[in-house]
Amino acid sequence: AQSVTQLGSHVSVSEGALVLLRCNYSSSVPPYLFWYVQYPNQGLQLLLKYTSAATLVKGINGFEAEFKKSETSFHLTKPSAHMSDAAEYFCAVTPTNKLIFGTGTLLAVQP
Amino acid sequence: DTGVSQNPRHKITKRGQNVTFRCDPISEHNRLYWYRQTLGQGPEFLTYFQNEAQLEKSRLLSDRFSAERPKGSFSTLEIQRTEQGDSAMYLCASSLDGGARSGNTIYFGEGSWLTVV
Repeated sequence: AQSVTQLGSHVSVSEGALVLLRCNYSSSVPPYLFWYVQYPNQGLQLLLKYTSAATLVKGINGFEAEFKKSETSFHLTKPSAHMSDAAEYFCAVTPTNKLIFGTGTLLAVQP
Repeated sequence: DTGVSQNPRHKITKRGQNVTFRCDPISEHNRLYWYRQTLGQGPEFLTYFQNEAQLEKSRLLSDRFSAERPKGSFSTLEIQRTEQGDSAMYLCASSLDGGARSGNTIYFGEGSWLTVV
C-alpha cells in the first residue's frame, strides 16, 4: 500500500525565512509524488509534481521539492517565505488512478 | 472561468435529510473524482468516474452515498439520511484520461461544505 506521512501539522516561519515542509512516502512501486496547497475555504491547487524524471522539481510561487529515494522523502522548500504563502500544504502519492494525501501541514508566516 | 465548478458551496441540513452536490468538471476532462475532507485531515478518496462509468469506490462510500455521472459530463453526489459524521467538505476533481500516474494534473474544485445539525 502507498502512503505519505507529513511531519509537523503546524509550521511557523518568519517572513523572509526558509520554508521546509517534510513529507515521507511509502510505496511498493516507483512513486509519483505531488504537493498541493489549500488556501482557506478553497480547493487544492497543484504546486509541483514528481513523475520519475528530474529529482529536483520546481513548482509555482518559488517552491521546489527534491525526491530522495534513499530517504523516501519529498520535502517541500522555498528560500524566502512570503506572507501570501500562509496556507495548508498537502503531500500526495498516486498508486494508480487516485491521489492519496497526507494529513497536511499548516504554514503560518509571521511578519 | 473554466475550472472545476461545485455547488452549492455551503449546505446546512438537519440530520436525516438527503443532500445532493453537483460537480461540473473541466470540459475536456473525462475523469472525475470525489473526495471528502474533514477538519485537520487531508482529502480522502471516495470514488472516480471514467466518462460515465464509475470505476472505483472507496470503503468510505457507504450505502447512503451514491454518485452518478449520467452523460459523462457533470456528476452528482447524493447523501441519504445524513448523519452528523457526514459533516465535511466534499471536493470534486477532474483530469484528462489516465489520471495522475500518466502525468496528467488532477484539478480540484473549491469544494462543497456540508454541516449536519
